[in-house]
Amino acid sequence: GESVGLHLPTLSVQEGDNSIINCAYSNSASDYFIWYKQESGKGPQFIIDIRSNMDKRQGQRVTVLLNKTVKHLSLQIAATQPGDSAVYFCAENTYSGGGADGLTFGKGTHLIIQP
Amino acid sequence: DAGVTQSPTHLIKTRGQHVTLRCSPISGHKSVSWYQQVLGQGPQFIFQYYEKEERGRGNFPDRFSARQFPNYSSELNVNALLLGDSALYLCASTSRAPTNEKLFFGSGTQLSVL
Repeated sequence: GESVGLHLPTLSVQEGDNSIINCAYSNSASDYFIWYKQESGKGPQFIIDIRSNMDKRQGQRVTVLLNKTVKHLSLQIAATQPGDSAVYFCAENTYSGGGADGLTFGKGTHLIIQP
Repeated sequence: DAGVTQSPTHLIKTRGQHVTLRCSPISGHKSVSWYQQVLGQGPQFIFQYYEKEERGRGNFPDRFSARQFPNYSSELNVNALLLGDSALYLCASTSRAPTNEKLFFGSGTQLSVL
Protein backbone atom coordinates (compact mmCIF):
# COMPACT_ATOMS: atom_id res chain seq x y z
CA GLY A 1 0.00 0.00 0.00
CA GLU A 2 0.93 3.65 -0.08
CA SER A 3 3.23 5.00 2.58
CA VAL A 4 1.52 8.38 2.54
CA GLY A 5 -2.23 8.81 2.82
CA LEU A 6 -4.84 11.37 3.68
CA HIS A 7 -7.69 10.99 6.15
CA LEU A 8 -10.42 12.74 4.14
CA PRO A 9 -10.88 12.91 0.37
CA THR A 10 -13.01 16.10 0.54
CA LEU A 11 -13.05 18.96 3.01
CA SER A 12 -15.65 21.72 2.83
CA VAL A 13 -15.12 24.94 4.80
CA GLN A 14 -16.70 28.36 4.99
CA GLU A 15 -14.83 31.30 3.51
CA GLY A 16 -12.89 33.02 6.26
CA ASP A 17 -12.65 29.94 8.46
CA ASN A 18 -9.44 28.06 9.13
CA SER A 19 -8.83 24.78 7.27
CA ILE A 20 -6.92 21.79 8.54
CA ILE A 21 -5.86 19.08 6.10
CA ASN A 22 -4.42 15.90 7.55
CA CYS A 23 -1.95 13.34 6.28
CA ALA A 24 -0.70 10.07 7.72
CA TYR A 25 2.57 8.50 6.71
CA SER A 26 3.87 5.06 7.51
CA ASN A 27 7.60 5.26 6.76
CA SER A 28 9.34 6.29 9.96
CA ALA A 29 12.54 6.80 7.94
CA SER A 30 11.02 9.68 5.98
CA ASP A 31 13.04 12.80 6.68
CA TYR A 32 11.38 15.51 4.63
CA PHE A 33 7.79 16.43 3.81
CA ILE A 34 6.16 18.82 1.37
CA TRP A 35 2.63 20.11 0.90
CA TYR A 36 1.47 20.86 -2.62
CA LYS A 37 -1.64 22.58 -3.95
CA GLN A 38 -2.99 21.50 -7.31
CA GLU A 39 -5.65 23.45 -9.18
CA SER A 40 -7.57 21.95 -12.05
CA GLY A 41 -5.46 21.70 -15.20
CA LYS A 42 -2.25 22.74 -13.46
CA GLY A 43 0.76 21.08 -11.95
CA PRO A 44 1.31 20.81 -8.19
CA GLN A 45 2.31 24.12 -6.62
CA PHE A 46 4.81 24.09 -3.75
CA ILE A 47 3.24 25.44 -0.54
CA ILE A 48 5.53 24.63 2.36
CA ASP A 49 8.00 21.99 3.48
CA ILE A 50 9.33 20.67 6.77
CA ARG A 51 12.24 18.52 7.80
CA SER A 52 11.86 15.68 10.25
CA ASN A 53 13.97 17.52 12.87
CA MET A 54 11.22 20.14 13.18
CA ASP A 55 7.65 19.88 14.46
CA LYS A 56 6.23 23.14 13.16
CA ARG A 57 6.88 25.55 10.35
CA GLN A 58 4.94 28.65 9.36
CA GLY A 59 4.53 30.42 6.06
CA GLN A 60 2.17 33.06 4.79
CA ARG A 61 -1.29 31.99 6.09
CA VAL A 62 -0.11 28.38 6.26
CA THR A 63 1.36 26.24 9.02
CA VAL A 64 2.63 22.69 8.77
CA LEU A 65 2.71 20.49 11.86
CA LEU A 66 4.66 17.25 12.08
CA ASN A 67 4.05 14.67 14.77
CA LYS A 68 6.64 11.95 14.36
CA THR A 69 5.33 9.94 17.30
CA VAL A 70 2.10 9.12 15.48
CA LYS A 71 3.48 9.76 11.99
CA HIS A 72 1.02 12.53 11.22
CA LEU A 73 1.35 15.68 9.17
CA SER A 74 -1.15 18.51 8.90
CA LEU A 75 -1.54 21.68 6.88
CA GLN A 76 -3.39 24.58 8.45
CA ILE A 77 -4.66 27.39 6.23
CA ALA A 78 -5.77 30.53 8.03
CA ALA A 79 -8.71 32.65 6.87
CA THR A 80 -9.53 30.44 3.91
CA GLN A 81 -10.19 32.28 0.66
CA PRO A 82 -11.96 31.18 -2.55
CA GLY A 83 -8.57 30.91 -4.25
CA ASP A 84 -7.63 28.18 -1.79
CA SER A 85 -10.03 25.77 -3.49
CA ALA A 86 -7.86 22.98 -4.88
CA VAL A 87 -6.60 19.48 -4.22
CA TYR A 88 -3.90 19.35 -1.57
CA PHE A 89 -1.24 16.64 -1.52
CA CYS A 90 1.28 15.76 1.10
CA ALA A 91 4.47 14.11 -0.11
CA GLU A 92 7.29 12.47 1.74
CA ASN A 93 10.91 11.83 1.00
CA THR A 94 12.96 9.00 2.40
CA TYR A 95 16.59 10.00 2.32
CA SER A 96 18.76 7.55 0.48
CA GLY A 97 21.76 9.71 -0.27
CA GLY A 98 20.08 11.31 -3.24
CA GLY A 99 16.78 11.64 -5.02
CA ALA A 100 16.80 8.02 -6.07
CA ASP A 101 13.33 7.15 -4.84
CA GLY A 102 11.50 10.34 -5.68
CA LEU A 103 8.76 11.82 -3.58
CA THR A 104 5.87 9.60 -2.46
CA PHE A 105 2.50 11.32 -2.76
CA GLY A 106 -0.81 10.59 -1.14
CA LYS A 107 -4.12 10.61 -3.02
CA GLY A 108 -4.99 14.18 -2.08
CA THR A 109 -7.72 16.11 -0.28
CA HIS A 110 -10.12 18.26 -2.25
CA LEU A 111 -10.67 21.52 -0.35
CA ILE A 112 -13.97 23.22 -1.20
CA ILE A 113 -14.59 26.79 -0.04
CA GLN A 114 -18.21 27.74 0.54
CA PRO A 115 -19.22 31.42 0.41
CA ASP B 1 11.43 34.29 -13.79
CA ALA B 2 10.08 31.40 -15.85
CA GLY B 3 9.07 28.28 -14.00
CA VAL B 4 9.35 24.73 -15.25
CA THR B 5 8.07 24.61 -18.82
CA GLN B 6 6.73 21.55 -20.57
CA SER B 7 5.68 20.83 -24.12
CA PRO B 8 3.35 19.96 -25.61
CA THR B 9 0.50 20.76 -23.22
CA HIS B 10 -1.81 18.15 -24.73
CA LEU B 11 -1.18 15.12 -26.92
CA ILE B 12 -3.33 12.41 -28.41
CA LYS B 13 -1.76 9.16 -29.54
CA THR B 14 -2.96 5.68 -30.47
CA ARG B 15 -1.92 2.39 -28.94
CA GLY B 16 1.48 1.15 -30.07
CA GLN B 17 2.83 4.58 -30.97
CA HIS B 18 5.66 6.29 -29.17
CA VAL B 19 5.75 9.75 -27.63
CA THR B 20 8.39 12.29 -26.61
CA LEU B 21 7.67 14.86 -23.94
CA ARG B 22 9.94 17.81 -23.26
CA CYS B 23 10.84 19.81 -20.19
CA SER B 24 12.93 22.87 -19.41
CA PRO B 25 13.83 23.33 -15.73
CA ILE B 26 13.90 26.56 -13.81
CA SER B 27 17.03 28.52 -14.69
CA GLY B 28 19.90 27.36 -12.50
CA HIS B 29 18.31 24.03 -11.61
CA LYS B 30 20.42 21.07 -12.65
CA SER B 31 18.05 18.29 -11.67
CA VAL B 32 14.89 17.22 -13.49
CA SER B 33 12.39 14.63 -12.33
CA TRP B 34 9.45 13.07 -14.14
CA TYR B 35 6.18 11.99 -12.55
CA GLN B 36 3.04 10.38 -13.88
CA GLN B 37 -0.33 11.45 -12.49
CA VAL B 38 -3.36 9.35 -13.25
CA LEU B 39 -6.71 11.08 -12.82
CA GLY B 40 -7.78 11.17 -9.20
CA GLN B 41 -4.43 10.11 -7.78
CA GLY B 42 -1.22 11.70 -6.61
CA PRO B 43 1.83 11.90 -8.87
CA GLN B 44 4.03 8.81 -9.13
CA PHE B 45 7.79 9.02 -9.54
CA ILE B 46 9.26 7.88 -12.86
CA PHE B 47 12.83 9.25 -13.13
CA GLN B 48 15.27 11.71 -11.70
CA TYR B 49 18.19 13.10 -13.69
CA TYR B 50 21.03 15.16 -12.32
CA GLU B 51 23.99 16.42 -14.30
CA LYS B 52 22.84 14.35 -17.28
CA GLU B 53 22.90 11.09 -15.33
CA GLU B 54 19.98 8.99 -14.17
CA ARG B 55 19.92 9.18 -10.39
CA GLY B 56 16.72 7.33 -9.68
CA ARG B 57 14.00 5.31 -11.33
CA GLY B 58 10.52 4.43 -10.15
CA ASN B 59 8.55 1.28 -10.77
CA PHE B 60 7.88 1.77 -14.47
CA PRO B 61 8.53 -0.62 -17.40
CA ASP B 62 11.43 -0.28 -19.78
CA ARG B 63 9.09 1.30 -22.31
CA PHE B 64 9.74 4.48 -20.35
CA SER B 65 13.08 6.19 -20.86
CA ALA B 66 14.48 9.65 -20.44
CA ARG B 67 17.56 11.72 -20.92
CA GLN B 68 18.96 15.08 -19.86
CA PHE B 69 20.83 17.42 -22.13
CA PRO B 70 23.85 19.67 -21.43
CA ASN B 71 21.51 22.65 -20.94
CA TYR B 72 19.67 20.57 -18.27
CA SER B 73 16.48 20.24 -20.29
CA SER B 74 15.03 16.76 -20.49
CA GLU B 75 12.96 14.43 -22.61
CA LEU B 76 10.71 11.59 -21.51
CA ASN B 77 10.10 8.89 -24.09
CA VAL B 78 7.41 6.25 -23.94
CA ASN B 79 7.34 3.44 -26.49
CA ALA B 80 4.58 1.01 -27.44
CA LEU B 81 1.90 3.14 -25.80
CA LEU B 82 -0.86 1.42 -23.87
CA LEU B 83 -4.27 2.78 -22.95
CA GLY B 84 -3.10 2.82 -19.33
CA ASP B 85 -0.38 5.31 -20.19
CA SER B 86 -3.04 8.00 -20.46
CA ALA B 87 -2.15 10.47 -17.72
CA LEU B 88 -0.75 13.87 -16.88
CA TYR B 89 3.05 13.75 -17.14
CA LEU B 90 4.73 16.20 -14.83
CA CYS B 91 8.25 17.49 -14.89
CA ALA B 92 9.87 19.00 -11.82
CA SER B 93 13.18 20.65 -11.08
CA THR B 94 15.15 21.54 -7.98
CA SER B 95 18.30 23.44 -7.13
CA ARG B 96 18.82 21.10 -4.18
CA ALA B 97 19.88 18.17 -6.31
CA PRO B 98 20.34 15.39 -6.01
CA THR B 99 17.72 15.53 -3.26
CA ASN B 100 13.96 16.00 -3.73
CA GLU B 101 13.90 19.14 -1.61
CA LYS B 102 12.12 22.22 -2.92
CA LEU B 103 10.83 20.34 -5.97
CA PHE B 104 8.92 22.67 -8.31
CA PHE B 105 6.57 21.28 -10.92
CA GLY B 106 5.52 22.38 -14.39
CA SER B 107 1.92 22.33 -15.62
CA GLY B 108 2.36 18.97 -17.27
CA THR B 109 1.60 17.29 -20.57
CA GLN B 110 -1.81 15.66 -20.77
CA LEU B 111 -1.38 12.45 -22.79
CA SER B 112 -4.40 10.60 -24.10
CA VAL B 113 -3.89 7.17 -25.65
CA LEU B 114 -6.77 5.93 -27.82
